[in-house]
Amino acid sequence: SAVISQKPSRDICQRGTSLTIQCQVDSQVTMMFWYRQQPGQSLTLIATANQGSEATYESGFVIDKFPISRPNLTFSTLTVSNMSPEDSSIYLCSVERGRGNTIYFGEGSWLTVV
Amino acid sequence: QKEVEQDPGPLSVPEGAIVSLNCTYSNSAFQYFMWYRQYSRKGPELLMYTYSSGNKEDGRFTAQVDKSSKYISLFIRDSQPSDSATYLCAMSAVSGGGADGLTFGKGTHLIIQP
Repeated sequence: SAVISQKPSRDICQRGTSLTIQCQVDSQVTMMFWYRQQPGQSLTLIATANQGSEATYESGFVIDKFPISRPNLTFSTLTVSNMSPEDSSIYLCSVERGRGNTIYFGEGSWLTVV
Repeated sequence: QKEVEQDPGPLSVPEGAIVSLNCTYSNSAFQYFMWYRQYSRKGPELLMYTYSSGNKEDGRFTAQVDKSSKYISLFIRDSQPSDSATYLCAMSAVSGGGADGLTFGKGTHLIIQP
């Protein structure tokens, strides 16, 4: 398995502000993923972050809204910019690890935008 | 038609019962199948990982994959109140999801009554 730490675990944010979520992994990984889980919905992939290259965004997600950094093989950040109530969600960091390249998740960052 | 269909429940069963959770999917390219358990206000925890068709057993949990029917199941024997959680199925065409990540169902909320 993998130990994945996310900060903040939860936050209440004002409309129009931005928040950066940090993800720290206990050992080096090549691929890190950011997912969003809106209330009552599936987990949806936002982007894939590889160290040393620009993040790859899924359809419907753009860099201006969700800038991502991946400065090294154990750390990544996701920023949710210019937040609106529709951005209220759980944001999850995940990594690929081990036999079968299994995907493991962090505890999530619960954001409420008011 | 959504790629992965999963009944959101809630599914309520008495303690000790056998639980059956299911997902159907439409993409015949999916070959890797996972079940995650998510407790309230926690990140998803990997329970089972299977490749292609067949059964896999781990303790009280059994995962079944029928690729011909595009149908996967998770069985929980001797269910316990601590099994109460949301169960998410996930799948991918390549090991670890690759650059496309995993495709998730919405999750089934399971309640085990003491």
